[in-house]
Amino acid sequence: AQTVTQSQPEMSVQEAETVTLSCTYDTSESDYYLFWYKQPPSRQMILVIRQEAYKQQNATENRFSVNFQKAAKSFSLKISDSQLGDAAMYFCAYRSAVYGGSQGNLIFGKGTKLSVKP
Amino acid sequence: SQTIHQWPATLVQPVGSPLSLECTVEGTSNPNLYWYRQAAGRGLQLLFYSVGIGQISSEVPQNLSASRPQDRQFILSSKKLLLSDSGFYLCAGHRLGLFYEQYFGPGTRLTVT
Repeated sequence: AQTVTQSQPEMSVQEAETVTLSCTYDTSESDYYLFWYKQPPSRQMILVIRQEAYKQQNATENRFSVNFQKAAKSFSLKISDSQLGDAAMYFCAYRSAVYGGSQGNLIFGKGTKLSVKP
Repeated sequence: SQTIHQWPATLVQPVGSPLSLECTVEGTSNPNLYWYRQAAGRGLQLLFYSVGIGQISSEVPQNLSASRPQDRQFILSSKKLLLSDSGFYLCAGHRLGLFYEQYFGPGTRLTVT
């Protein structure tokens, strides 16, 4: 079974600085998807960024980028120019590339709480 | 665009009372739908998923059940709530044409007293 591990329960960053959140996963599959979700105090889960395992190029969305190391099974999130609105819980998630059935479910890490200091 | 609605937003129920949480989806058809629970300070636990009307799969044996009476409606129920059922319940669906990407509703905060 696949597992997702976020080893940093809490992180803190100064406004305008850069922070990296770590995520490792375990799988025997070769094709899958990885995600970072943000959960602000409102608790609405918001997709931040997505990475397809077959793509070597790291995904980027504005100030958010990932460092995807497939061999190491590592998927870290870098937030550049941190803003107060970035303060939230961040969840790393894994999904098999198999369509349908239970393989289609997301497997979440336990989350990292990010604080942004003004 | 696709949107998930959930209600109620907040619910306080006594132990032993019934529960019904509703999730409806706009802007898509035949979505896979999911119920997750998030206990305080913890990650998300998948409870149920559904690939179509009347098709429910349970991931965790528990006091809850789910039903899908219509294509875009997903209901989470309980006949008798337990204290341990307290938590934040999220409904999710997959994006049209992007079967691998889930988006979430705003959630329901349930407190069992």
